[in-house]
Order: sequence, then structure tokens, then C-alpha cells
Amino acid sequence: AQKVTQAQTEISVVEKEDVTLDCVYETRDTTYYLFWYKQPPSGELVFLIRRNSFDEQNEISGRYSWNFQKSTSSFNFTITASQVVDSAVYFCALSEAGTTDSWGKLQFGAGTQVVVTP
Amino acid sequence: EPEVTQTPSHQVTQMGQEVILRCVPISNHLYFYWYRQILGQKVEFLVSFYNNEISEKSEIFDDQFSVERPDGSNFTLKIRSTKLEDSAMYFCAASDGFEAFFGQGTRLTVV
Repeated sequence: AQKVTQAQTEISVVEKEDVTLDCVYETRDTTYYLFWYKQPPSGELVFLIRRNSFDEQNEISGRYSWNFQKSTSSFNFTITASQVVDSAVYFCALSEAGTTDSWGKLQFGAGTQVVVTP
Repeated sequence: EPEVTQTPSHQVTQMGQEVILRCVPISNHLYFYWYRQILGQKVEFLVSFYNNEISEKSEIFDDQFSVERPDGSNFTLKIRSTKLEDSAMYFCAASDGFEAFFGQGTRLTVV
């Protein structure tokens, strides 16, 4: 069963528009981590955020913000005032508690391609 | 300075050849992982490695694949006889038990 769902395959926006990326996850664990990664055209995975399941506070980092809602099993990501450099694939991921080495075993969503045009 | 370094960044190999992808994690990392990303698809877990043995592997990680940490520092992924469908980006990750750090990836092209 798919555990991380990113329903949006591609989002195109014009520079300075806001863009929100949806992520819905599924887990039976009460302790888990959620992540967002950015993958620019160069291919590397750039870590953006990690959030544990007990911390439902929304977070803002510059133009980035995250909305974690356990009630709907969602961890959405918003880029405010998008820029061309934000063009990339964005992945949401989940890691579940179990053994200590579980934390590095991430289950990724399919990714959302964000295209920002000038 | 990157936490995890992968070499080479890009490798081209002929079908049927063996390839070894290398990863150098930070010394205090105890848990190691390989992931694969076929072009345009999601990142998929291959294998986790702890205490010099595989702790978990996915269905993708068949007998063609092996991992080892031969000298206590390098962590390697070997593909014994490459197939065209092994062409992908391979990511190494290392964890100290609290957080995972990804390398920059090795793009493998099988021709």
C-alpha cells in the first residue's frame, strides 16, 4: 500500500505566485518523521525539513512554510512568492519508528514537479 | 562540507559489467542505506546496513546486488552484472540513529 501520496504531478506558476504542495501519508505508528526534500535539475536531494509526529506546530523558514495536520494525515508545503530557482521536484517522505535503523529508511512520495516561469 | 560523499558522480558501463558505487559517510554514523531513483520516478529504498550486515532489503535488492563496508569507512554497493534497467541515480544515506544524511548521488548509465 502506498504510504506517501503526492497527488500533484506538476504545478506551474508564474514568479511571485504562491504554490502549495500536498502530501498525505499513511502509517500505523504513533511515532514517525515526515520530511520534505528538493531535487533540482542537477539531481541531488536537498533536505528541507524534518518534523516528528508529536510536533504539530506549523513552521516557517523564509519563504517556506509547512502545515502538519495529524487529523488529516497531511504535511503540506507552501512556497511563498515563488522564484525561478524554486523550479525543482519536491518529495515528501515518511520514516517510521521500529528499530533505530528505521529512521534512515524513508518512504518517498512520487514527487511534485514545480515549474516557476518568469 | 557534505556529510556523505559518493563517488563517482556519474558512471557509464556496458551491460553485463560489474559496477561498484562508493559512499564515504561521516565516521560516527552507524546506519547506512542505499536508494535508487529511476529517471523521472520516485526515490526507492534498496537496503539498510548496520553492524556489518544487512538489516533490511527491498524486493528490488535481488542477488545481483550486494553491499559491504570493507574497511570500516567506505560503504559500497555492487551490481554484479548490470542490466539496462539498472540505469538510475543511486543515493547513499547514513544515519547516526537520529537523522539521515544523503549523498549527492551517483548517476549510473548502462549501455
